[in-house]
Amino acid sequence: QQPVQSPQAVILREGEDAVINCSSSKALYSVHWYRQKHGEAPVFLMILLKGGEQKGHEKISASFNEKKQQSSLYLTASQLSYSGTYFCGTDWTGSNYKLTFGKGTLLTVNP
Amino acid sequence: GAGVSQSPRYKVAKRGQDVALRCDPISGHVSLFWYQQALGQGPEFLTYFQNEAQLDKSGLPSDRFFAERPEGSVSTLKIQRTQQEDSAVYLCASSLDDSISYEQYFGPGTRLTVT
Repeated sequence: QQPVQSPQAVILREGEDAVINCSSSKALYSVHWYRQKHGEAPVFLMILLKGGEQKGHEKISASFNEKKQQSSLYLTASQLSYSGTYFCGTDWTGSNYKLTFGKGTLLTVNP
Repeated sequence: GAGVSQSPRYKVAKRGQDVALRCDPISGHVSLFWYQQALGQGPEFLTYFQNEAQLDKSGLPSDRFFAERPEGSVSTLKIQRTQQEDSAVYLCASSLDDSISYEQYFGPGTRLTVT
C-alpha cells in the first residue's frame, strides 16, 4: 500500500523545472506532499483532495488524477532552496487522518 | 508561534533499556501523530491521538511501544526493552483539526540509537 515515487533522485540546475510522481495501487482519498531537508522536520507543501480541492503554497503546483491513482508535483524555475527530499503521503483507507508515505525523491538544485 | 518541539533530540540507549520520547505539539492542535522514520525512508505511521483519545495505534510495531497524551496536549512515546531494530528517527506531528484536509506540522524528531 506504500505509494511509489519516481524518480528516486533528480539533479537540476537553478531555474530548471522538475516533476515528481507518486503512484498508488489503491484508490486514494487524498495526497499530501512534504519536503524534508537533511536532519530537519518534513515541511508541508500541498494537499490534494478527492474531488479536486487543493491547499498549498503559491509557488508549488500539483495534480491528482483519481482515476489513475497518481499525483504529480511540479517544481518550476527551481531555486537552491528547493533542494531536499520530497515525500508524498497518501490516504488510501479513507480514515481521514492516516497517511502512508512513499520512500521519497531526492532533489538537488545546483547553481 | 512556536512549532512542534521534541525532546530529547538524540538518545542513545543500550539494548534492553526503556526510553521515553516527548512531544510538545502546537498549542490548540487537536490531532497528534507519531511516526517512525528509518534511514532513507519516508515516515511510517505509528499512532494517532485526537485530543487525549488514542484512536489508532495500528502502526505500533510491538507491545513494547506505548504512547499517551493524558491531557490532550503533550504526548510521550515509550519504548520498553529497546532492540537494535528500534533505532530510527521518531517524528511527532500535530494538526489543527481532525480532518485530512489540514496539514500536519512536524517536529524535528528524536534520533534513537540502540547499541
